Amino acid sequence: AQSVTQLGSHVSVSEGALVLLRCNYSSSVPPYLFWYVQYPNQGLQLLLKYTSAATLVKGINGFEAEFKKSETSFHLTKPSAHMSDAAEYFCAVSADSGGSYIPTFGRGTSLIVHP
Amino acid sequence: ETGVTQTPRHLVMGMTNKKSLKCEQHLGHNAMYWYKQSAKKPLELMFVYSLEERVENNSVPSRFSPECPNSSHLFLHLHTLQPEDSALYLCASSQGAGTAGFYEQYFGPGTRLTVT
Repeated sequence: AQSVTQLGSHVSVSEGALVLLRCNYSSSVPPYLFWYVQYPNQGLQLLLKYTSAATLVKGINGFEAEFKKSETSFHLTKPSAHMSDAAEYFCAVSADSGGSYIPTFGRGTSLIVHP
Repeated sequence: ETGVTQTPRHLVMGMTNKKSLKCEQHLGHNAMYWYKQSAKKPLELMFVYSLEERVENNSVPSRFSPECPNSSHLFLHLHTLQPEDSALYLCASSQGAGTAGFYEQYFGPGTRLTVT
């Protein structure tokens, strides 16, 4: 079985400050990990994904995430927040479960950016 | 049209109505998904189709009936819904389901459903 925990349903930062969104996963086999972003009235859009290549993954809009197996974490960061980053962010894990790779999503973290 | 499209974008229906949601993907993918997104609840996977065959059905009530006539189209038929079924229904597609977990999903904009 696989699961994802996103710590903090809301994260508030000032414009220009560091963004850190936390994601911890549980999987008994090597996982694939994803971060998605959802803007208001839109579907989810892929930010980045980890597929067992480099542990530091760079995505769109200046975001990156680091896979840490020892900590079972895949936290999302961005050095400097923009107002346009305000959105809902979802972490997802996909791992082999009896030959099936259906992804499991976290509950989401709402990023609030203050001017 | 590009990506994943969903129609209608908004739907209001009474509990005795029958309606259908439509999803179309223009990406050449072979797997399609229906999700339910309710306020303050996690994203709920409802159905998964791979190569037009249903491979996942997460204990969804029978008042929701999916249909996948080909790899580009996915429908969700609705009948005798309850007010708690009001939510955003998202469709997604991916290159593979069940065989290659590293393929990301592409989501449509969703249909906002309100059951009165």
